[in-house]
Amino acid sequence: GDSVTQMEGPVTLSEEAFLTINCTYTATGYPSLFWYVQYPGEGLQLLLKATKADDKGSNKGFEATYRKETTSFHLEKGSVQVSDSAVYFCALSGLNSNYQLIWGAGTKLIIKP
Amino acid sequence: EAGVVQSPRYKIIEKKQPVAFWCNPISGHNTLYWYLQNLGQGPELLIRYENEEAVDDSQLPKDRFSAERLKGVDSTLKIQPAELGDSAVYLCASSPGTKETQYFGPGTRLLVL
Repeated sequence: GDSVTQMEGPVTLSEEAFLTINCTYTATGYPSLFWYVQYPGEGLQLLLKATKADDKGSNKGFEATYRKETTSFHLEKGSVQVSDSAVYFCALSGLNSNYQLIWGAGTKLIIKP
Repeated sequence: EAGVVQSPRYKIIEKKQPVAFWCNPISGHNTLYWYLQNLGQGPELLIRYENEEAVDDSQLPKDRFSAERLKGVDSTLKIQPAELGDSAVYLCASSPGTKETQYFGPGTRLLVL
């Protein structure tokens, strides 16, 4: 079945550092890919998404590009802030999963001032 | 546009007591989801509604959990009786349709003592 693999956390960075959180997937067909963010004590917020190969999703300075050839959807941000500290979940949705979200395990990001 | 609304935000009960959670989806969203999220993990789908019909409840522990969405708008998830292991965050999400992006509410954090 379809699956999502994320890099393990926690990831600890200093403010203004460059961020990459790796996400790779296994799926048949052409799933949609998502990054959700969960701030402490809150629900999940959609951060960005991409629905087809080579699409780039972007929001709040975060970007991720749908790479079909490497089955990846890595999350990047050029300069992180303390307020970016949260748990980030990569997920996919496609025909094989009956369009239900298949989740990665989440990556906790800690940004130090 | 108002997001997904959930109440209560927090609930503390003793084991064997009943508890209910309420969710109001984004206006016009036909699909409603209930998830369970344990600490440090991704969400797990409990039940999915298309309008008032439960189309996927395969992961709902039916001996103690029940859900309803009588008029195809808001929904209630109930646990009776609650067990210690039910302590978790219960998330509600909605989407315009099955194949479309899901938007999450803030969740209800349940603690069973």
